[in-house]
Amino acid sequence: GQNIDQPTEMTATEGAIVQINCTYQTSGFNGLFWYQQHAGEAPTFLSYNVLDGLEEKGRFSSFLSRSKGYSYLLLKELQMKDSASYLCAVMDSNYQLIWGAGTKLIIKP
Amino acid sequence: NAGVTQTPKFQVLKTGQSMTLQCAQDMNHEYMSWYRQDPGMGLRLIHYSVGAGITDQGEVPNGYNVSRSTTEDFPLRLLSAAPSQTSVYFCASSYSPGSGANVLTFGAGSRLTVL
Repeated sequence: GQNIDQPTEMTATEGAIVQINCTYQTSGFNGLFWYQQHAGEAPTFLSYNVLDGLEEKGRFSSFLSRSKGYSYLLLKELQMKDSASYLCAVMDSNYQLIWGAGTKLIIKP
Repeated sequence: NAGVTQTPKFQVLKTGQSMTLQCAQDMNHEYMSWYRQDPGMGLRLIHYSVGAGITDQGEVPNGYNVSRSTTEDFPLRLLSAAPSQTSVYFCASSYSPGSGANVLTFGAGSRLTVL
């Protein structure tokens, strides 16, 4: 079966760095996505990785290792507005998205 | 540019009632989809469409119907509501269904409660 695993909840301090991990087992691979979802709102796109390595976009970076079935989202200089759920999704060989349950990130002052 | 518009935002139904969730996009996206989101679970695909006149089932299609008569609109119909259909529903669209860079734009969501 296809499976995406990510921690249910994480807590971090304002101004710090946090790494949210995602491991996956899917039928084929056509890229990995990270979305941010604030409570009561729609998911919004953060990043897309299809090749191994690190993609940096401002305070957010995303890493992919296809051989290990592993990705992480790195958030630097955390702000209170980063409190949200972070969803990992993998596009399989049929170009269908398989979604993880999401990681709720709580930022404390 | 409105993006993806979903209505209604909130709805309460009684078991056995039917209703339609509306979804419209103004970005000329070929791909449109409906997801449901439940606590502790990932987004689950209900139905999707790769273009006008073409629809297909996702992971959890039972109890739902869709149609795609125009590029812009993709309504989701609940035929006979059940308490198990209590959920938050999201419509999402993108340019290219068969591309690895298939970035989805989501509607604001519709919270449905079935009593």
